[in-house]
Amino acid sequence: AQSVTQLGSHVSVSEGALVLLRCNYSSSVPPYLFWYVQYPNQGLQLLLKYTTGATLVKGINGFEAEFKKSETSFHLTKPSAHMSDAAEYFCAVSAGGTSYGKLTFGQGTILTVHP
Amino acid sequence: GAVVSQHPSRVICKSGTSVKIECRSLDFQATTMFWYRQFPKKSLMLMATSNEGSKATYEQGVEKDKFLINHASLTLSTLTVTSAHPEDSSFYICSAGKLTLGNEQFFGPGTRLTVL
Repeated sequence: AQSVTQLGSHVSVSEGALVLLRCNYSSSVPPYLFWYVQYPNQGLQLLLKYTTGATLVKGINGFEAEFKKSETSFHLTKPSAHMSDAAEYFCAVSAGGTSYGKLTFGQGTILTVHP
Repeated sequence: GAVVSQHPSRVICKSGTSVKIECRSLDFQATTMFWYRQFPKKSLMLMATSNEGSKATYEQGVEKDKFLINHASLTLSTLTVTSAHPEDSSFYICSAGKLTLGNEQFFGPGTRLTVL
């Protein structure tokens, strides 16, 4: 069984400030981890993913995330926020293997960026 | 590449009618398609997983007679909400995946269903 917890349903930052969105997961097997972004009334767009290999993963739009097995975390960061980053972000975990593709999502974090 | 479309994007229907939502993988053949439901200000909840040519696997608590899923080809899956009621109003999102594309799902833009 898997679960995902996103700490903070709302995060607010100033334009140019660091963005940090927190995600902790629970999985009984080696996880595949994902971050998605959702703009209002739209589907999900993949920002980045971790499957195997390098634990620091770089994604689109300047985002990156680091897989820390010891902390069961996969926090999303961006050094400098832009107004266009305002959206809702979802962390997700997949067990992979025989559970290929089945995703469990966190509750979502709404990011607000102030001018 | 890996584009998924949904049709319609919005639908309004009367209580008691049935609504069909289509999900298509436009540039790849999807091994598996998934249907999610998203309530306002809530996360996505997986409703069912469907593989081409076989019956869908529904998540616990999802009524399979209420939400009929058909996956007739490798590029098309449909979700039919039967005898819709206002509580079925929601944002429905499909995704498609393919083993050779890695353990990744490609999401459609979603369908906003409003039942009056």
